[in-house]
Amino acid sequence: EVQLVESGGGLVQPGESLRLSCAASGFTFSSYWMSWVRQAPGKGLEWVANIRQDGSEKYYVDSVKGRFTISRDNAKNSLYLHMNSLRAEDTAVYYCARAWFHGGPFDYWGQGTLVTVSS
Amino acid sequence: QSALTQPASVSGSPGQSITISCTGTSSDVGTYNLVSWYQQHPGKAPKLMIYEVSKRPSGVSNRFSGSKSGNTASLTISGLQAEDEADYYCCSYAGSSTYVFGTGTKVTVL
Repeated sequence: EVQLVESGGGLVQPGESLRLSCAASGFTFSSYWMSWVRQAPGKGLEWVANIRQDGSEKYYVDSVKGRFTISRDNAKNSLYLHMNSLRAEDTAVYYCARAWFHGGPFDYWGQGTLVTVSS
Repeated sequence: QSALTQPASVSGSPGQSITISCTGTSSDVGTYNLVSWYQQHPGKAPKLMIYEVSKRPSGVSNRFSGSKSGNTASLTISGLQAEDEADYYCCSYAGSSTYVFGTGTKVTVL
């Protein structure tokens, strides 16, 4: 059974940093593009970033470029999102999602982890 | 990277059919047949319902169908059931390994 389990969310002040993790199981992690998708409270879904199977390519939504870094450790079946210079507008539930194929749909999602940026 | 446009809400009675539109641009929906649809119940993670415009993943009811014309994709739910009440989001590949989601539509079963 495919499982994606996020962790690392919490309450931080503006300007601080946080690292999210996503533990994958039930599939060959190193064979799939992986993404982070977020959802602000009461708002819609927003694709944040994705990473190629071997980590050699990374892409971001404009609003997080230069502040967020996506990475992965295929030996540990884990996906990460390093978030720096956090802003109030980054407050959201962050989901880890597997892309079925490059450019394709997100076929499996984690349960999400809440990040709250507030003073 | 502007969000795709969806109606904020759509409603229907049990047994009826409803259609949700998703309007993008020639840079996303209009160029790629990589439109997917997700169902999200409150407090839950999104669930893939349609991919590549009109394909259904295994286990998804055939009451759900998708189509596309130009820059607009559509999701139709036929034989509306109480369990279909949820938020629905479209998503399109937007080139350069990026994606864009729709604004979301709340479906209410009357």
